[in-house]
Amino acid sequence: DGGITQSPKYLFRKEGQNVTLSCEQNLNHDAMYWYRQDPGQGLRLIYYSQIVNDFQKGDIAEGYSVSREKKESFPLTVTSAQKNPTAFYLCASSIQGFNTEAFFGQGTRLTVV
Amino acid sequence: ELKVEQNPLFLSMQEGKNYTIYCNYSTTSDRLYWYRQDPGKSLESLFVLLSNGAVKQEGRLMASLDTKARLSTLHITAAVHDLSATYFCAVGDRGSTLGRLYFGRGTQLTVWP
Repeated sequence: DGGITQSPKYLFRKEGQNVTLSCEQNLNHDAMYWYRQDPGQGLRLIYYSQIVNDFQKGDIAEGYSVSREKKESFPLTVTSAQKNPTAFYLCASSIQGFNTEAFFGQGTRLTVV
Repeated sequence: ELKVEQNPLFLSMQEGKNYTIYCNYSTTSDRLYWYRQDPGKSLESLFVLLSNGAVKQEGRLMASLDTKARLSTLHITAAVHDLSATYFCAVGDRGSTLGRLYFGRGTQLTVWP
């Protein structure tokens, strides 16, 4: 089955630690995205990538980093510089083209302990 | 930056009643999406609206788009408990081949007997 797989589903981070969230897709999509969702809020874009080895900051990139070494994979690292990382993180992918539609993974819930 | 406003943010309605959720956006766009989210889950795509006057229906839900007014509506007919969820509208950049989306804050719908 084609789709987007995020792991882990739940992640706990201690203060000062970096953690990496995995996102893999087998849809052969060029573009991939990371969104953050806080309670009662819509999704906000953290980073996106249109092609391998290239990515751009979204609206709330501070404290996060990404890489895009393979077309299928777009991991997100939440660094210790992110002061309030507790949130629900969603990865998405899409083809490049007008009227393209994004497809979402199942999400990772990150909690700082 | 494209702004998206949804209202109401909270909606409590009795089974069998009708209601409409509104989605306004700030700049011209040619792509609007409606998603459903159940608690702790990812986003489920409901409707993709790509042209002025587009109307789509699925079961008790009907979505429409007026690009001149920068307004989309999600109409609920004869609500049932299973429709209880949070509904998001999201808008894409006009003329962009990128699938990034700008989200409203969501409407939390509760349907009671």
